[in-house]
Amino acid sequence: DTAVSQTPKYLVTQMGNDKSIKCEQNLGHDTMYWYKQDSKKFLKIMFSYNNKELIINETVPNRFSPKSPDKAHLNLHINSLELGDSAVYFCASSPPRGGFTDTQYFGPGTRLTVL
Amino acid sequence: AQSVAQPEDQVNVAEGNPLTVKCTYSVSGNPYLFWYVQYPNRGLQFLLKYITGDNLVKGSYGFEAEFNKSQTSFHLKKPSALVSDSALYFCAVQRSNDYKLSFGAGTTVTVRA
Repeated sequence: DTAVSQTPKYLVTQMGNDKSIKCEQNLGHDTMYWYKQDSKKFLKIMFSYNNKELIINETVPNRFSPKSPDKAHLNLHINSLELGDSAVYFCASSPPRGGFTDTQYFGPGTRLTVL
Repeated sequence: AQSVAQPEDQVNVAEGNPLTVKCTYSVSGNPYLFWYVQYPNRGLQFLLKYITGDNLVKGSYGFEAEFNKSQTSFHLKKPSALVSDSALYFCAVQRSNDYKLSFGAGTTVTVRA
């Protein structure tokens, strides 16, 4: 009965590789997000999709590409991985409220280590 | 633009004592305010939120927070802290007519037995 799930939980890879992280929510929410948490625990929004439409695209290298095949899924693909990409990546989802959105619920995170 | 400040990196309290974690925000328009908690190697868990109405909001695990518009603050409180409350706490703000949630830098709470 997991609400927001991410796979994999841990990802260790070499510089230059391409990798994907998957996120699924079974809450029926319209909006999904990707966040990056750096080594100092600072959380920054990367992307958001609402009903499969990209609505937030922060200043993120274009090596990062989100894909939302349907409302319940938001995947993150990263090309040509760099050492600085090492972080914990969190997926989140939120229901609609007043034409926008309400509380965000987070997945357990994916710890990416680039060697 | 919107931002959140959590002025204390760390808060240390003895078990049974009151716990306060401070948060101030800056946002144009009406704010939605949130508190989340992160236990080690875990995701963020929602604690409570202020959308509108009563300035004092109650949340999970006995936590509460008071919205103060004049001071642009949303401090998190618990009357009697437990060792199990030791975690990283994040305050976050969102404009009511937006999707973007901005987080503070986090405050590490340590409750000693």
